[in-house]
Parts: sequence; structure tokens; C-alpha cells
Amino acid sequence: GNSVTQMEGPVTLSEEAFLTINCTYTATGYPSLFWYVQYPGEGLQLLLKATKADDKGSNKGFEATYRKETTSFHLEKGSVQVSDSAVYFCALSSSSGNTPLVFGKGTRLSVIA
Amino acid sequence: KAGVTQTPRYLIKTRGQQVTLSCSPISGHRSVSWYQQTPGQGLQFLFEYFSETQRNKGNFPGRFSGRQFSNSRSEMNVSTLELGDSALYLCASSLRLAESTDTQYFGPGTRLTVL
Repeated sequence: GNSVTQMEGPVTLSEEAFLTINCTYTATGYPSLFWYVQYPGEGLQLLLKATKADDKGSNKGFEATYRKETTSFHLEKGSVQVSDSAVYFCALSSSSGNTPLVFGKGTRLSVIA
Repeated sequence: KAGVTQTPRYLIKTRGQQVTLSCSPISGHRSVSWYQQTPGQGLQFLFEYFSETQRNKGNFPGRFSGRQFSNSRSEMNVSTLELGDSALYLCASSLRLAESTDTQYFGPGTRLTVL
């Protein structure tokens, strides 16, 4: 079945550091890929998405590129801020549609000033 | 456009009781999905409704049930609560899930504590 594997956290970075959170997936066909973010005490917010190979999703300084050859969708940001502290979830939607999102276990990011 | 709303935001119940949670999707969205989030199991899919019909169901016992109304609002019910049902319950809405490019938008969740 479909699955998503994220790097284990927690990740602790200093402000302005470079961020990478690895995400790889297993799926048949061409799934859509998503990054969601969850701030303390809140629900999930869509951060970015990519729907086909080589697409780059971007939002709020975060980027991720859909790599079909490596089945990856790594999240990156060039300079993190304290306000980026949250839990980040990678997810996929199967190419057949009509099925629920499959989530990774989440990666907790803490950014210190 | 208003986002997904969930009520109540917090609930405290005791074992054996039942509970009903409510979700109002984004206007125009006809698909509503429910997820359970716990520290140990992460995000687990409960069920999905589309046009008042359950279209998908996760691997949860029959104590967990749901329904969707003609205005797309959805409720989920948990009967005979157990301590392990303590979790954040998240609702997500989308236009439809027939296409993989469809995006789900989440509400703030209902935090259920079972004592």
C-alpha cells in the first residue's frame, strides 16, 4: 500500500539556519504530494503541494520538489524563524483519487533565537 | 471564505459515555473526512463522506460512526468511550476526492479527553 516516511525529529535549529526535512514515499502511479504544518494547539494547515513530477511547491519561504526518480518530496527553507516552530507532516494522495490522505508521522521543528 | 469549523473545541467525558462532534466544511465543499490524532499513532483516517454517503472507512471499531447532512455538515459519534479514545479529532473538507490533486483543508480540531 501507499506509505510516507519522514525523518524523525525533533529538529532543533538556530534562527536563520537552513532547514531540510526529508520525506520519501511509496505509491503506485503518480500521487499528489503535500506538506502540512501544525502549530501548537491548532489543526493542520496546508503549506504547499505538488501534483506531478518535477513540480516545485512553495509558500512562505518553504519549498519542496516532487522527485519521481527518488520518490522524494523534501521540505526546505533557507532561513528559519522562531515562528516556524511547529510539527510538519508530509502526505500523499494516491493517483487514483477517491482515497484518504496518507500521512508521515510528523517532524517537530524547534527554532531557537 | 470561512474555513472549516469544528465544535466543540474541547470536551471532557468519562468512560462509557458517548460523544458527538460536529464539522462544518468550507462553503461549496462536499467531501468531509475525519482523522484521529494521537501522540502514539499519529494521524489515522476514520471515514470520509461525500454527498451524504460514506465513501471510505478506516480501521476503527464500530463504536465510531459518522454521518453527513444535505448541507455537507458532518457529525461523528463515539459510543461507549474508552480511555484510548482521548485524542485530537480533525475534520477536513475538500471539493471532492475523485482526483488526487484535490486538496483537503483542515479544521482546528476537537480535543477529546476521556477520564
